Amino acid sequence: DQQVKQNSPSLSVQEGRISILNCDYTNSMFDYFLWYKKYPAEGPTFLISISSIKDKNEDGRFTVFLNKSAKHLSLHIVPSQPGDSAVYFCAASSSNYQLIWGAGTKLIIKP
Amino acid sequence: DADVTQTPRNRITKTGKRIMLECSQTKGHDRMYWYRQDPGLGLQLIYYSFDVKDINKGEISDGYSVSRQAQAKFSLSLESAIPNQTALYFCATSEGSPETQYFGPGTRLLVL
Repeated sequence: DQQVKQNSPSLSVQEGRISILNCDYTNSMFDYFLWYKKYPAEGPTFLISISSIKDKNEDGRFTVFLNKSAKHLSLHIVPSQPGDSAVYFCAASSSNYQLIWGAGTKLIIKP
Repeated sequence: DADVTQTPRNRITKTGKRIMLECSQTKGHDRMYWYRQDPGLGLQLIYYSFDVKDINKGEISDGYSVSRQAQAKFSLSLESAIPNQTALYFCATSEGSPETQYFGPGTRLLVL
C-alpha cells in the first residue's frame, strides 16, 4: 500500500501562471516532508521541505503547504518558468531517516 | 566536480551475470543509500548504511547485496541479474536531522 501518493502523473501549465503539485500521505507518523525535482538523465535534487510543526514554508518562487488534518501537502510555483519543466517527487519521513517517495508528477511549462 | 558520482552510467548485462554498481561521495556524509526507480513508481529503498559498520536492508533488498568499503564508497551488487532488475539505480547521501538526501546521476541498467 502506497504511503505517499501523487495522483497526477502529469500537469501542464502556461508560463507565468501558478503550478500546483499535490501529494497525499497515509502515515500519521510522518513528521518531515520534502519536494525533489528531477531532470532527465540526472538524479533528484532537493527543492524545499517542511516540518510537521509548520503549515507553510516559502523559498523564492516555491511554497509548500501542509494540511496535517487532511494528510495533504502541495507545492506552489509562482510564476512558472520553462526551466521548471521536470518531474517532481514528494517524499516523507519519520524519525528513522528513511524517505518514502511518491511516484512523481511530470510538470510541463508551456511557452 | 559532482559531490556524488556513480559508475557506470549505463550498463547492459545478461541474465545470470554478476554486476556491481559503484557510488562515491565527496560530501563527507556518513549515511548512504541505494534506490531503484521503475517507470511510474517512486524511488524504492534497496539498502542503506549509517556508517562503515552499519548496513541495513531496505524495502526491496532481495537479489541485491552491498558493501561499504569506506565512508565515501558504497557499492551495490546483483549476484545473479534477472530481467526484472532492469531499472534506474540511484545512490544518495545524507547527514543531519531532519533528513535531506543528495543524489548521484543514476545508473541505467538493462538485464537481457
